[in-house]
Amino acid sequence: GAGVSQTPSNKVTEKGKYVELRCDPISGHTALYWYRQSLGQGPEFLIYFQGTGAADDSGLPNDRFFAVRPEGSVSTLKIQRTERGDSAVYLCASSLGGGQDTQYFGPGTRLTVL
Amino acid sequence: GENVEQHPSTLSVQEGDSAVIKCTYSDSASNYFPWYKQELGKGPQLIIDIRSNVGEKKDQRIAVTLNKTAKHFSLHITETQPEDSAVYFCAASRHGLTFGKGTHLIIQP
Repeated sequence: GAGVSQTPSNKVTEKGKYVELRCDPISGHTALYWYRQSLGQGPEFLIYFQGTGAADDSGLPNDRFFAVRPEGSVSTLKIQRTERGDSAVYLCASSLGGGQDTQYFGPGTRLTVL
Repeated sequence: GENVEQHPSTLSVQEGDSAVIKCTYSDSASNYFPWYKQELGKGPQLIIDIRSNVGEKKDQRIAVTLNKTAKHFSLHITETQPEDSAVYFCAASRHGLTFGKGTHLIIQP
């Protein structure tokens, strides 16, 4: 079946602009995660949704970052007033439930802030 | 919070030899330890995982061991092949995964 998909695959924006990154999880997966991966580093946890609610948002770096999952399926990561340091690959993952269920990752969105 | 250390950062082995990657974690409440393989330009792909009630798990050429007392776990790849070349990440979790910094595995023909 279809895996996790993310759009766009690449996004180039200017410092100070607003961006939205989209994640379509595997159908039926109740848990959804966002991670950020800088060059040469492992993915860094941002936020975890169980259904429509954010169960853990402790990884969001500051209040410029926000994520929603209004219907418990598709999620959008929103970044306001982008900074050059926000440049990274943003990865989305989903799992059937939470906890120890396997997380399946999408291909990521490469964000470049000029 | 959780902290995961991974070694080595780069590992070069001859084709057919074994490769071992080691990780330690800090949070004794972590209970799930997956390993991911990442190829250039792609998202991480799960290759094997282990849960805290198991000490060892094997899947063909890949095995993982877990020592909860010492808080470390290891990935073992036997009979390495060129297609094993990639970056490998360990992770520890209760919900969101905390990843190590990765090991670039190079298989020399």
